[in-house]
Amino acid sequence: DSGVTQTPKHLITATGQRVTLRCSPRSGDLSVYWYQQSLDQGLQFLIQYYNGEERAKGNILERFSAQQFPDLHSELNLSSLELGDSALYFCASSVATSGTEQYFGPGTRLTVT
Amino acid sequence: SQKIEQNSEALNIQEGKTATLTCNYTNYSPAYLQWYRQDPGRGPVFLLLIRENEKEKRKERLKVTFDTTLKQSLFHITASQPADSATYLCALEGSSNTGKLIFGQGTTLQVKP
Repeated sequence: DSGVTQTPKHLITATGQRVTLRCSPRSGDLSVYWYQQSLDQGLQFLIQYYNGEERAKGNILERFSAQQFPDLHSELNLSSLELGDSALYFCASSVATSGTEQYFGPGTRLTVT
Repeated sequence: SQKIEQNSEALNIQEGKTATLTCNYTNYSPAYLQWYRQDPGRGPVFLLLIRENEKEKRKERLKVTFDTTLKQSLFHITASQPADSATYLCALEGSSNTGKLIFGQGTTLQVKP
């Protein structure tokens, strides 16, 4: 158990819909990361927050947005969902902004039908 | 563009032997290189981190080397066990003071008893 929690575990929704994925980092970790893992693309970095502020952005679609709240939990919002958005979404956390190991949650499996 | 290559073919070895996994990269100068283990349907688990000015790092049965001239890292598991069977991911982090990780596609290791 990494100490990172993600909800929900599974999500099935239709194209065009909007969903919110939630992540609680390990106690004491200030950085939160979101990654997307699909069979053809592998594990892709989406976005990083550190202590409530956006720190780094990857190839995150404009239909996707995220935020980190004062209690340090984070949410990833996915809107106008397409079939290609079906993937495993992982949240990770670390104590520092860089140069340190990341602890990954169990993931949310999103299926868009 | 930045590219990370790991052996796409599965690596099959006999229990007790040393497994060696390769990670090559191009068009990148990472400040850190990390190795993660991932089991099917689960989040990656951190194994080792090595800095650009370090040649080698060890942790129990694990050893990683980092050659910035060859742009290559080797990951060794000595005295391998069937429980070591998993996918191993190489990840690079730059010097931008963010934790953004770029992952390779991973190599699947199968240790046969």
